[in-house]
Amino acid sequence: AQSVTQPDIHITVSEGASLELRCNYSYGATPYLFWYVQSPGQGLQLLLKYFSGDTLVQGIKGFEAEFKRSQSSFNLRKPSVHWSDAAEYFCAVGAYSGAGSYQLTFGKGTKLSVIP
Amino acid sequence: DGGITQSPKYLFRKEGQNVTLSCEQNLNHDAMYWYRQDPGQGLRLIYYSQIVNDFQKGDIAEGYSVSREKKESFPLTVTSAQKNPTAFYLCASRPGLLVGYGYTFGSGTRLTVV
Repeated sequence: AQSVTQPDIHITVSEGASLELRCNYSYGATPYLFWYVQSPGQGLQLLLKYFSGDTLVQGIKGFEAEFKRSQSSFNLRKPSVHWSDAAEYFCAVGAYSGAGSYQLTFGKGTKLSVIP
Repeated sequence: DGGITQSPKYLFRKEGQNVTLSCEQNLNHDAMYWYRQDPGQGLRLIYYSQIVNDFQKGDIAEGYSVSREKKESFPLTVTSAQKNPTAFYLCASRPGLLVGYGYTFGSGTRLTVV
């Protein structure tokens, strides 16, 4: 079965600093990978996704992520963080479950705090 | 604009009561999902449905029930059998049976037992 690990529960960065959020996945085949962002009390919004091809994918709000098959990682990056980026970030892998249905499996999230 | 509407945004339940959370989508998506979110535990799958009149249990289905009588609607009932229902509930959908698509999420319902 597939799984996702986000090693960092909480990260604090200063506004204007660079950001990298880590995500490691476990899946036997080529994965479909996603990053979502959630503001407090809101639903999840898709930031970016990787299906195949170029391993560096661009998303909304200036985010990008790099797929590294050898490391089973899909880390999210942003060159310069804004105060409005403070939120919780979820990595997810899409795959077929044992019951034959396609589902996303989510990591437990990384909460990002931004210091002005 | 297309999207998923969850209602109500806040819901209060007394001990022993059943309550129903609404989820409606106008995206023409086939698959719909219900997740429960607790602090530090990420998203846990309650139920999902891939087509009308069919649904499957997720990881934490005990104490919950669903129906899928219409493509647009996937209501979740939290029954009195659910021991600790206070949580944030998220509904999601995705198009068809094609792989590779992410989910579209609603804005959630916060349920509190009083």
